Amino acid sequence: DQQVKQNSPSLSVQEGRISILNCDYTNSMFDYFLWYKKYPAEGPTFLISISSIKDKNEDGRFTVFLNKSAKHLSLHIVPSQPGDSAVYFCAASKYTGGFKTIFGAGTRLFVKA
Amino acid sequence: NAGVTQTPKFQVLKTGQSMTLQCAQDMNHNSMYWYRQDPGMGLRLIYYSASEGTTDKGEVPNGYNVSRLNKREFSLRLESAAPSQTSVYFCASRQTSGSPGELFFGEGSRLTVL
Repeated sequence: DQQVKQNSPSLSVQEGRISILNCDYTNSMFDYFLWYKKYPAEGPTFLISISSIKDKNEDGRFTVFLNKSAKHLSLHIVPSQPGDSAVYFCAASKYTGGFKTIFGAGTRLFVKA
Repeated sequence: NAGVTQTPKFQVLKTGQSMTLQCAQDMNHNSMYWYRQDPGMGLRLIYYSASEGTTDKGEVPNGYNVSRLNKREFSLRLESAAPSQTSVYFCASRQTSGSPGELFFGEGSRLTVL
């Protein structure tokens, strides 16, 4: 039973346009939500996070929105660049004596020049 | 800057063989994690260690054991490997504080079980 779901396996966007990656979760007890980026043959790297008590967090070209009533979050990348082409994982963390982090299946983003 | 180091990077096993994946971090992080990545499944948590001396099951712990040897090292053992354990394994660590902070990942260990 997947607690964190990314229903779009892939997304293709033109350079300079907005990329919107979506994520749904089932457990309302998560404390934080995070996005990670992964290039082939490398480990994932942290991108941006948001606390469950906030609804928006922005860092440069990256903005994460959290809609708690819908149990939905999204990552906006504006403007998209070819170097953003990678797999993006949505993740959710819950404190259980330590932070347990669960990941979604990932969305592969293609940014076309 | 080594960060999180995993060994070996590649391994081929026969069904029933055992092996241990090693992980070490040099960032003085409290928490360490083992994930596996499979196509269409994303990263699934196998085991984690919130702090030295503790370990807890994740989403897919069956067939694995772990040891938090000290604050730096967290190993993953397959006692009797099965083809279903063919995967890419990632070790990660984080500094636990009031917020989860980012996970730092190793480069991965690709395991094939024949």
